[in-house]
Amino acid sequence: DTAVSQTPKYLVTQMGNDKSIKCEQNLGHDTMYWYKQDSKKFLKIMFSYNNKELIINETVPNRFSPKSPDKAHLNLHINSLELGDSAVYFCASSTQGTDTQYFGPGTRLTVL
Amino acid sequence: QQPVQSPQAVILREGEDAVINCSSSKALYSVHWYRQKHGEAPVFLMILLKGGEQKGHEKISASFNEKKQQSSLYLTASQLSYSGTYFCGTVYDYKLSFGAGTTVTVRA
Repeated sequence: DTAVSQTPKYLVTQMGNDKSIKCEQNLGHDTMYWYKQDSKKFLKIMFSYNNKELIINETVPNRFSPKSPDKAHLNLHINSLELGDSAVYFCASSTQGTDTQYFGPGTRLTVL
Repeated sequence: QQPVQSPQAVILREGEDAVINCSSSKALYSVHWYRQKHGEAPVFLMILLKGGEQKGHEKISASFNEKKQQSSLYLTASQLSYSGTYFCGTVYDYKLSFGAGTTVTVRA
């Protein structure tokens, strides 16, 4: 009964490739997020969706494109991957933007 | 704007106490605390919504001083299971911004 799930858990790819990460939550939450955690463990918000609508879009290269087909799913597509994209990407959800956030297990992306 | 955490890291022996501080240059209305164990996702510990509020989770408690724009997390009688990185989070413009984290290592 995983609350927030992500696939894949690990992603190793070459520079220049395009990849996607999927996220699903079964908590009935309205808000979902993507965070990037770099090697220094800094957790930075990238995007937030509320009921399929984009509400937060931080300063992220436009190679990153989130998509929310419904309020239980939030996917992240990354074009033309670069070395600096290597990080752990966490999906999270909450009832509202200011409430407790429940994180998925993370996707470790390694760009070679 | 992200909050500032201190210290960056702390090493404890089982049974010892520690305090982690989180401060903000902006007015605080709520403070979240999360713990992330190595290789795992951050897990919610507690949220403080009012100035002066104190909460507890196991032997971990936190306080929130609205006037000083800061919160402190208290690890009391630490256990090996307390090891991990602790993040405070503050809400600005309806989004949660995390501090850089404090890595806690508890040794037997």
